[in-house]
Amino acid sequence: EAQVTQNPRYLITVTGKKLTVTCSQNMNHEYMSWYRQDPGLGLRQIYYSMNVEVTDKGDVPEGYKVSRKEKRNFPLILESPSPNQTSLYFCASSLWEGANVLTFGAGSRLTVL
Amino acid sequence: GNSVTQMEGPVTLSEEAFLTINCTYTATGYPSLFWYVQYPGEGLQLLLKATKADDKGSNKGFEATYRKETTSFHLEKGSVQVSDSAVYFCALSPRTNFGNEKLTFGTGTRLTIIP
Repeated sequence: EAQVTQNPRYLITVTGKKLTVTCSQNMNHEYMSWYRQDPGLGLRQIYYSMNVEVTDKGDVPEGYKVSRKEKRNFPLILESPSPNQTSLYFCASSLWEGANVLTFGAGSRLTVL
Repeated sequence: GNSVTQMEGPVTLSEEAFLTINCTYTATGYPSLFWYVQYPGEGLQLLLKATKADDKGSNKGFEATYRKETTSFHLEKGSVQVSDSAVYFCALSPRTNFGNEKLTFGTGTRLTIIP
């Protein structure tokens, strides 16, 4: 089944404790992206990647890092999480950036205490 | 810059009622327009899209027409079902000389259908 898989789905952590949210897609998509969803703000893009070893900042990149060493994986790294990073995170992918039809993961709900 | 404005929710309707969720946009160039839907506990999925003025996107009984003169892309359905309860996001992707760019989403409208 074609899908985007995120882990963990739920996580509660404390300020400053590094964490990684993994994202993997099995569709050979070139383009991958991370969004965060907050009430009243909709979805905002954090980082995106147009292909292996090519990443760029989205609208709200502060406090996050990403890497794209393999085509299928695009982990989101929070080096020192803070409470304002409490949010619902979505990974998404598409065949190429211009395709616009994104396939989303099921989401990862992160709480930073 | 580019932006999408959706009607504020939540919206609560009875089953078989007519649905309209308003969406207007601001963009440079000639954007493509989308509606995505998010069912409870799931990620977003594409509902329908339109890529040029006067195009009508449709899927699962939902429709939206790209109106360039009013910069709108309102979502409609003639008879809603309980299974349509979800959050609906309007989105745009502007077209430039370099090809399509990333999606800009609206804030989402939560729809609840009562049996």
